[in-house]
Amino acid sequence: AQTVTQSQPEMSVQEAETVTLSCTYDTSENNYYLFWYKQPPSRQMILVIRQEAYKQQNATENRFSVNFQKAAKSFSLKISDSQLGDTAMYFCAFMLTNYGGATNKLIFGTGTLLAVQP
Amino acid sequence: DAGVTQSPTHLIKTRGQQVTLRCSPKSGHDTVSWYQQALGQGPQFIFQYYEEEERQRGNFPDRFSGHQFPNYSSELNVNALLLGDSALYLCASSLSGLAGVGETQYFGPGTRLLVL
Repeated sequence: AQTVTQSQPEMSVQEAETVTLSCTYDTSENNYYLFWYKQPPSRQMILVIRQEAYKQQNATENRFSVNFQKAAKSFSLKISDSQLGDTAMYFCAFMLTNYGGATNKLIFGTGTLLAVQP
Repeated sequence: DAGVTQSPTHLIKTRGQQVTLRCSPKSGHDTVSWYQQALGQGPQFIFQYYEEEERQRGNFPDRFSGHQFPNYSSELNVNALLLGDSALYLCASSLSGLAGVGETQYFGPGTRLLVL
């Protein structure tokens, strides 16, 4: 069975600074996807970034980038130039590659609550 | 383009009652997954519907059931409600893809269920 671990329940960062959120996962499979989702206090879960396990290049989306270490089963999220609107719960999630038809289920970590301070 | 919508936003029930939650997927999506998120926890997968059939199921009892309609919208039903069923119920939609393609799931705002 696959598991996702987020070891930082809460983190705080000053506005405009950089912060890194950690995520490790466990799987015996070779083909999968990893995601970071953001859930602001309004509670709607929003996709931040995704990474295909077969790609060696780390994914980036504007101020958000990941450090994907497949051998170490590590998938950290770096937020640069933090903004007040980045305050939210961040969830790391794992998904096995599907084999045709419906996509597979997401397996989530317990989340990291990030507070951006003015 | 409307995203994933869910209704109602909030619901209060008493133990033993039954509840139905509804979800409309993002335009063009044909797969709906349901998740339960207890307070302070990450979402837990309940089940997934594709082509009007339950395709995958998480570790939830038979009291949790669902349905998908021809227009791809979906319902989650919970019978004999327990206090522990109090949670945020999230619906996510995605597009079925070719083998080896991991389609992103897009979430709705959720339904907050409180069981008294």
